[in-house]
Amino acid sequence: QVQMEQSGPEVKRPGASVKISCKASGHTFNSYGISWVRQAPGRGLEWMGRIIVYNGQTTYSRKLLGRITMTADRSTDTAYMELKNLRSDDTAVYFCAMVTFGGVIVKPTDYWGQGTLVTVSS
Amino acid sequence: DIQMTQSPSSLSASLGDRVTITCRASQGVAQDFAWFQQKPGRPPSLLILDAFTLRSGVSPRFSGSGSGTEFTLTISALQAEDIGTYFCQQYTSDPPTFGQGTKVEL
Repeated sequence: QVQMEQSGPEVKRPGASVKISCKASGHTFNSYGISWVRQAPGRGLEWMGRIIVYNGQTTYSRKLLGRITMTADRSTDTAYMELKNLRSDDTAVYFCAMVTFGGVIVKPTDYWGQGTLVTVSS
Repeated sequence: DIQMTQSPSSLSASLGDRVTITCRASQGVAQDFAWFQQKPGRPPSLLILDAFTLRSGVSPRFSGSGSGTEFTLTISALQAEDIGTYFCQQYTSDPPTFGQGTKVEL
């Protein structure tokens, strides 16, 4: 059974950075990606970016370019998302989600982490 | 970016009711389209992939239809466990984008 385990909640000051981990286990995919999606309190879902685990290729949301970095460790099936220069409107639950590949199309799956609450407050 | 517009933003229904949620894309997405259900404090759960393919284990009360720019999620007979917020998503092109959500209440 596929499980996605994320690191715990974080409280950060404005201007600080946060790095969240997401470990995948129990899967049999040779090639997969990890998308990061965030959800501000009471709001909808915002796609932040994606990393293809086997080759480290990343695609980021234009809105977050310059502040976001995604990395992955193939040996441990763990992905990381770092967001720098945090602002109050970065306060959200951050989810990792496994994606798979159907030809050129990157497809969602039902394998999501439990979410990591990041609170940015002075 | 492809904009996804869901309607209604919320609805109130009774047990056993047929419920329909619509999502419109600002440009064609073929059938690269998914529906998610989310309950408070939980991550989204994938219901339907490729516009109409029910994920294994999802109740057949749920069905999806549409292609191009208009998509529909139907719950044939609302059950108490169906209460939550539903999101649509296109994944035909980057960035994948979500609808704003439809909150389903009793």
